[in-house]
Amino acid sequence: NAGVTQTPKFQVLKTGQSMTLQCAQDMNHEYMSWYRQDPGMGLRLIHYSVGAGITDQGEVPNGYNVSRSTTEDFPLRLLSAAPSQTSVYFCASSYDRGNSPLHFGNGTRLTVT
Amino acid sequence: SQELEQSPQSLIVQEGKNLTINCTSSKTLYGLYWYKQKYGEGLIFLMMLQKGGEEKSHEKITAKLDEKKQQSSLHITASQPSHAGIYLCGAGQLGAGTALIFGKGTTLSVSS
Repeated sequence: NAGVTQTPKFQVLKTGQSMTLQCAQDMNHEYMSWYRQDPGMGLRLIHYSVGAGITDQGEVPNGYNVSRSTTEDFPLRLLSAAPSQTSVYFCASSYDRGNSPLHFGNGTRLTVT
Repeated sequence: SQELEQSPQSLIVQEGKNLTINCTSSKTLYGLYWYKQKYGEGLIFLMMLQKGGEEKSHEKITAKLDEKKQQSSLHITASQPSHAGIYLCGAGQLGAGTALIFGKGTTLSVSS
């Protein structure tokens, strides 16, 4: 059972480049979300999805886009990378609303130069 | 918006000592989650508390939820080097499904 899989594990981008962070889960979870983790800031919610075709913004959505075309996948797109987006990104999923814990991927460490 | 404040920010304890980490919410708690993170890795779920007064234990870790105080505590008994890491509390936001918000974490070091 793979759980939540994030790719790539590491990525270096130049300012202005675009890229997509991939997230896939094989647990048939309806809920998926993206967080970024920065020193001294903790985990901050970027976007989340309550099911295929439904997404919503979290605390820090600017500069990021998401889509949820399937239950399994929830990619995070950086349209024009900025140094402020240097961070560790975590994808998480859970089975249902409010009563199940989040399962986290191992993270993607992104550096924007 | 809801905020979670954890204390202390960091903690160094001698192996075998007990310790407590606190998590205080600025608003009513609708479920409180504790996670542990080792450096460079993802978060591992420890425990979930949903009702005021609820207490759960797993091995040497006990978590309690004081709903009236909007606070939860995580207590580790007889700490071991394997307990070292970052402990984070997370809380559900009403109407936002499982889009949890998190505290900034408590870094625990255990010296042998």
